[in-house]
Amino acid sequence: AQSVTQLDSHVSVSEGTPVLLRCNYSSSYSPSLFWYVQHPNKGLQLLLKYTSAATLVKGINGFEAEFKKSETSFHLTKPSAHMSDAAEYFCVVSMRGSSNTGKLIFGQGTTLQVKP
Amino acid sequence: DAGVTQSPTHLIKTRGQQVTLRCSPKSGHDTVSWYQQALGQGPQFIFQYYEEEERQRGNFPDRFSGHQFPNYSSELNVNALLLGDSALYLCASSLALGNYEQYFGPGTRLTVT
Repeated sequence: AQSVTQLDSHVSVSEGTPVLLRCNYSSSYSPSLFWYVQHPNKGLQLLLKYTSAATLVKGINGFEAEFKKSETSFHLTKPSAHMSDAAEYFCVVSMRGSSNTGKLIFGQGTTLQVKP
Repeated sequence: DAGVTQSPTHLIKTRGQQVTLRCSPKSGHDTVSWYQQALGQGPQFIFQYYEEEERQRGNFPDRFSGHQFPNYSSELNVNALLLGDSALYLCASSLALGNYEQYFGPGTRLTVT
């Protein structure tokens, strides 16, 4: 069975400092992994995705994530936080393979607070 | 290029009633998935439609049903509403079955009183 664990429910950083949002996954098959962001009263937006190519994935707005199979982790980072980064972030896993129809499994979310 | 649209934006229903939520996929997309997001939780997969058939279903009771139309738009129906059905209902569309790159709509906020 697949599952995702986001290790922090709430992260607070100061503007201009690095961001680290932690995610561990469990999957019996080769996973595809994603980070989505959800701003208040807005839909989910895809930040980046890992699909078995390069293990270091670059996304939009300066975010990146590294797939580490040995640690079953897919942590999201950004060198310098901006006030507009304040939002809810979701780590997501999907199983690749013929039996997969694209079902996404979401973590519980991490609220990122950015202080001026 | 229109993205995924959902209607209505907000809805208030009473326990025991029935509700229908609607979704139009992103232009060119033929697969629609529905997710339920309870307050403070991550979205949970309800089901997915492709070629007007339900292709995969999450752990939701039969009170939750859906439909996909020939133009790829979709409806989510919930019967015998419970207080616990209060949530944000998200629709996502993708190009072809098995494509995990899904585009989400803004959601419908359902409140059951």
